[in-house]
Amino acid sequence: SQQGEEDPQALSIQEGENATMNCSYKTSINNLQWYRQNSGRGLVHLILIRSNEREKHSGRLRVTLDTSKKSSSLLITASRAADTASYFCATAGNTPLVFGKGTRLSVIA
Amino acid sequence: EAQVTQNPRYLITVTGKKLTVTCSQNMNHEYMSWYRQDPGLGLRQIYYSMNVEVTDKGDVPEGYKVSRKEKRNFPLILESPSPNQTSLYFCASSSQQTGGAGYGYTFGSGTRLTVV
Repeated sequence: SQQGEEDPQALSIQEGENATMNCSYKTSINNLQWYRQNSGRGLVHLILIRSNEREKHSGRLRVTLDTSKKSSSLLITASRAADTASYFCATAGNTPLVFGKGTRLSVIA
Repeated sequence: EAQVTQNPRYLITVTGKKLTVTCSQNMNHEYMSWYRQDPGLGLRQIYYSMNVEVTDKGDVPEGYKVSRKEKRNFPLILESPSPNQTSLYFCASSSQQTGGAGYGYTFGSGTRLTVV
């Protein structure tokens, strides 16, 4: 029951540029979360935005949520080579967290 | 340090030989879950547990068993592994099933299983 779908599937940018990833989902949610995964490693929780919130910041991360469009975006500002990873959105409703397939971000130094 | 510990990190086994992947968390979390990750398919949930002695099937439970006898441990059991269970497995825990209050999941480092 995969719900979140990230776009694009892969993104390649230069160091210092901003990276934007989008997530669309189908059913109503209580919150939406973003995770990061370095190659072959466990996922790391980045940020959670609740359904009654529209925008949230954490360091260089900015997340927006538009429940009317059932979509979210993750913006990483001033990207660094160390940001190279896969990023997943995950939706939380009345069922366990459901993950999308991820966006593979490559930041070139 | 708060963490989810999975063992082993890597495992190569033969078809039909029973195996157990252990998962332990030290955060007193009620909720624990197992996922498998395959290229092009993302993370798919195998089983989850809301608390001790409470387990439920996820999206791909066939061929797997779990138990939750203690709050901290949630082992994944493959009674008769087959090659299509070759995958990267993750255990995760949360202070509660992510829903109303909303808490992030803490993931283990993963177990790469190869069944030949």
